[in-house]
Amino acid sequence: GAGVSQSPSNKVTEKGKDVELRCDPISGHTALYWYRQSLGQGLEFLIYFQGNSAPDKSGLPSDRFSAERTGGSVSTLTIQRTQQEDSAVYLCASRLPGLAGGLHEQYFGPGTRLTVT
Amino acid sequence: AQSVTQLDSHVSVSEGTPVLLRCNYSSSYSPSLFWYVQHPNKGLQLLLKYTSAATLVKGINGFEAEFKKSETSFHLTKPSAHMSDAAEYFCVVSGALYNFNKFYFGSGTKLNVKP
Repeated sequence: GAGVSQSPSNKVTEKGKDVELRCDPISGHTALYWYRQSLGQGLEFLIYFQGNSAPDKSGLPSDRFSAERTGGSVSTLTIQRTQQEDSAVYLCASRLPGLAGGLHEQYFGPGTRLTVT
Repeated sequence: AQSVTQLDSHVSVSEGTPVLLRCNYSSSYSPSLFWYVQHPNKGLQLLLKYTSAATLVKGINGFEAEFKKSETSFHLTKPSAHMSDAAEYFCVVSGALYNFNKFYFGSGTKLNVKP
């Protein structure tokens, strides 16, 4: 079946502009995650959705970052007034509803490469 | 609290020789553990996972990992490296009993395979 998809695959924007990144999870995956991967770095957790609610948004680096999810499916990550330090690959992952011990793995999309000039 | 330490940021092996990528975790609960691989400019792909069944876990592409609770380790191995194994590898631990929807990533190990 179809995997996690993200769009756009690449985005170049000018400093100060707003951007929206989209994630389409696997059908039936109620949990959805956003991560950021800066050049040469590991994955930085941003936010987690269960259905349409975000019980954990502790990783959002500033109030310029926000995310929403509608219909328990598509999610949008918005970055306002982009800065050069926002340049990174933004990865989305989805998984089946969690069970004790986190049995179900995450499935990752290909990412959106954001470049702020 | 949960955390993951990947002991080597870079590992270099010759093609045909064994691979060992080390991972130690800390967890206040019996965790689930995962290894992911990321090839250049690609997303992350699951190699294998441990979820409290067999302690020796076999994954794709000939990789396997052994869960050792006494050593809090989950090292990734492969008997014979192939050029296509060159990539970055991430060890991941799931959250605790009341936060099992959260995942903690190691900083990654870049594997170089020499011809």
